[in-house]
Amino acid sequence: QVQLVQSGAEVKKPGASVKVSCKASGYTFTDYYIHWVRQAPGQGLEWMGWINPNHNRGDTINARKFQGRVTMTRDTAISTAYMELSSLRSDDTAVYYCARDRTRTTSTSLDSFDLWGQGTMVTVSS
Amino acid sequence: SYELTQPLLVSVALGQTARITCGGKNIEYKNVHWYQQRPGQAPVLVIFRDSTRPSGIPERFSGSNSGNTATLTISRAQTGDEADYFCQVWDSTTAVVFGGGTKLTVL
Repeated sequence: QVQLVQSGAEVKKPGASVKVSCKASGYTFTDYYIHWVRQAPGQGLEWMGWINPNHNRGDTINARKFQGRVTMTRDTAISTAYMELSSLRSDDTAVYYCARDRTRTTSTSLDSFDLWGQGTMVTVSS
Repeated sequence: SYELTQPLLVSVALGQTARITCGGKNIEYKNVHWYQQRPGQAPVLVIFRDSTRPSGIPERFSGSNSGNTATLTISRAQTGDEADYFCQVWDSTTAVVFGGGTKLTVL
């Protein structure tokens, strides 16, 4: 079964960091880009960045808003992508999703997101 | 930065046709993708590259893109179509851009 399974909910204090995992199965993990998207309660979707899981690259691009605070990594041995967000604030409270791009990592023309994880709720509260 | 504008709410009578718009400057030159998000669930891709349906998406869902407006059309609307719908494009300066989302209500 083709799916992305994310780690469980987290509660963090302001200033802390959180690391969310996204395990891929049913397809070749290194063949497709992985994106991270978040959604604050009652709000829309906000793109955070992408990672190329390919063995020889692991390149990342982050939205300007998150530069310096977000780190995207991957472990190809276990087909898992990670998103770590640091210096957490209350307005980082959101559901965080990983999503697969339709584009293979052999191309640089990214497209749409055809497979999503179930989401991970991150709550930042003192 | 590139911006996408969607109406907050669209209502449609059961069995009729709903049209959800996504406005952006010269959007016709971009590939527009559409996602459906039911309450408490992850988004689902329903249209990519303006008008292509992924496998498993009903033919009732269609898309178009012209000028400054892209449109998601849902024919013969059902109660199960009630959801939030988001458009999305890629932009050279801001990378991925999402519209603010439209809540579809089926009356």
